[in-house]
Amino acid sequence: QVQLQESGPGLVKPLETLSLTCTVYGDSISSGTSYWTWIRQHPGKGLEWIGNIYYSGTTSYNPSLKSRATISVDTSQNQFSLKVTSVTAADTAVYYCARTGQWGDPFDIWGQGTRVTVSS
Amino acid sequence: YVLTQPPSVSVAPGQTARITCGGNNIASKAVHWYQQRPGQAPVLVVYDDRDRPSGIPERFSGSNSGNTATLTINRVEAGDEAGYYCHVWDSSSDHPNVVFGGGTKLTVL
Repeated sequence: QVQLQESGPGLVKPLETLSLTCTVYGDSISSGTSYWTWIRQHPGKGLEWIGNIYYSGTTSYNPSLKSRATISVDTSQNQFSLKVTSVTAADTAVYYCARTGQWGDPFDIWGQGTRVTVSS
Repeated sequence: YVLTQPPSVSVAPGQTARITCGGNNIASKAVHWYQQRPGQAPVLVVYDDRDRPSGIPERFSGSNSGNTATLTINRVEAGDEAGYYCHVWDSSSDHPNVVFGGGTKLTVL
């Protein structure tokens, strides 16, 4: 059974960097059969795609984040990570990691989500 | 690319709920649907317009034609009360993108 688990600080100060990690259980990032994704949800709002990474390190991002987001992968730890720089209150959200098979496929496995609040 | 969903749909138990997702020529894209109960992560309920993952009841079905995709829930139960989101992958611009609809809150009366 494939499971994803987000981890990271729940509170980040304005203008600092938000850092989250997603650990994958029951699947291997190195298998190359999936893309690994970050999605966020602002309080009471809809879903927003942040970006994807492939095991090779190839990434794709939502242009709306204006290059503040960086996704990286550590195949030795079977983890992938998200960094968002210069955060503001508008980055307060629940952050989810998810898996998709190939470009165009659905997000079939989601982590339970981690709430991040940006506040001084 | 923009996906438009009604903010809310209400239906009595046992009736049929239809949740729409509008987009320009959406029939040319594969549409996926997620259910999100309060405080929980989204769960895939329909993929590729009309297919169901294992474990999803047959009461959930999908269709896609013209400019509208539809998620249909037959014999609605109290446990179906949740938010529902449609999703497509869009490669029509220079930058391929993942697009979600704004979500529809299904209320079971």
